[in-house]
Amino acid sequence: QVQLKESGPGLVQPSQTLSLTCTVSGFSLTSNSVHWVRQPPGKGLEWVGAIWSGGSTDYNSALKSRLSISRDTSKSQVFLKMNSLQTEDTAIYFCTLSPRGYFDYWGQGVMVTVSS
Amino acid sequence: DTVLTQSPALAVSPGERVSISCRASEGVNSYMHWYQQKPGQQPKLLIYKASNLASGVPARFSGSGSGTDFTLTIDPVEADDTATYFCQQSWNDPYTFGAGTKLELK
Repeated sequence: QVQLKESGPGLVQPSQTLSLTCTVSGFSLTSNSVHWVRQPPGKGLEWVGAIWSGGSTDYNSALKSRLSISRDTSKSQVFLKMNSLQTEDTAIYFCTLSPRGYFDYWGQGVMVTVSS
Repeated sequence: DTVLTQSPALAVSPGERVSISCRASEGVNSYMHWYQQKPGQQPKLLIYKASNLASGVPARFSGSGSGTDFTLTIDPVEADDTATYFCQQSWNDPYTFGAGTKLELK
């Protein structure tokens, strides 16, 4: 069955780089797009970016200068890297499968706290 | 970016019908989707493309609308429906979410 699981450090210092991994199973990365969505504590959802089935990427314009999404299809993994982290980047980061514009499978999410 | 506006909160009694609205700042065709999120959990897809029920979702949930005005209806509401409901559009880049409507039961 379809599964996604996020992993990464729970705590990142301000100005440092966040690296997250989304490990997927039950579907092919070359046939589906994977997106990252984040949610600050007690707040709403924000689309972060995506890697499409062909390998191209799209990013939230507010984050684009700091963000990179890539993948390793042989390992069924998608990576998110965001630099120059600030306290406002504190959030739960979800990876999600989006075959047709909506998000029908989600990972459990990983809480990332930006603090010194 | 396309702004999606939702009312912040609603309170209803079990057994009643509730409608949750989502208004888009520009047209999104029928590419509006709805999610339910309970505390400590990931969002769950309820409705895709305005009116299509996602797999495994009870028929008490339904969606309608097109263009800029959309509605998620729950009829009848059950105690387990206490949650926050988000709309999301995928017609315009970038994808955007509404701020969510918190549904409480009386």
